[in-house]
Amino acid sequence: AQSVTQPDIHITVSEGASLELRCNYSYGATPYLFWYVQSPGQGLQLLLKYFSGDTLVQGIKGFEAEFKRSQSSFNLRKPSVHWSDAAEYFCAVASGGFKTIFGAGTRLFVKA
Amino acid sequence: DTGVSQDPRHKITKRGQNVTFRCDPISEHNRLYWYRQTLGQGPEFLTYFQNEAQLEKSRLLSDRFSAERPKGSFSTLEIQRTEQGDSAMYLCASSSGMAPGNTIYFGEGSWLTVV
Repeated sequence: AQSVTQPDIHITVSEGASLELRCNYSYGATPYLFWYVQSPGQGLQLLLKYFSGDTLVQGIKGFEAEFKRSQSSFNLRKPSVHWSDAAEYFCAVASGGFKTIFGAGTRLFVKA
Repeated sequence: DTGVSQDPRHKITKRGQNVTFRCDPISEHNRLYWYRQTLGQGPEFLTYFQNEAQLEKSRLLSDRFSAERPKGSFSTLEIQRTEQGDSAMYLCASSSGMAPGNTIYFGEGSWLTVV
């Protein structure tokens, strides 16, 4: 069965510092991979997605993610974090069906 | 494109009462999903519709839960005989197209508190 693991429950970074959020997935075939962001009390917004092709994908708000098949990982990165990036981030995987499975999330805190 | 809308945004109910949530997907989106999210967790898949057909249901969807999408447009999620463990945010999402990885767009959720 497909699953998603986000090893870090929360991460704190200084404003202007770089960010990497980890995501590992379990799925037999090539998955469809996503990163979503959720602000408190809100729904989820798609940051970026990977289906095939170039393993480095660019998203909105300056985020990027790299798919590494050998490590079953899809880590999210941003070179310089802004205070407005503080939120909960979810990695997700979809199989050949239409069910998308989410990780437990990583809460990002940004300190001034 | 007004986005996915959910109603009500917040609901407080007494244990044992029935509640119903409504979801209006993005117009012309043929797929509609319900997820449940509790504090500190990611969204958990509940069920999925393609047009009016309910194609998949999670084991999380006990017999007290029922979802409908009668005309392939809006959907309702009803919880009968609510329990405190039902307290969560219920998220609706929709998508279009034929590819399984098409982007799903989420509403802002309906918070349920069972007291």
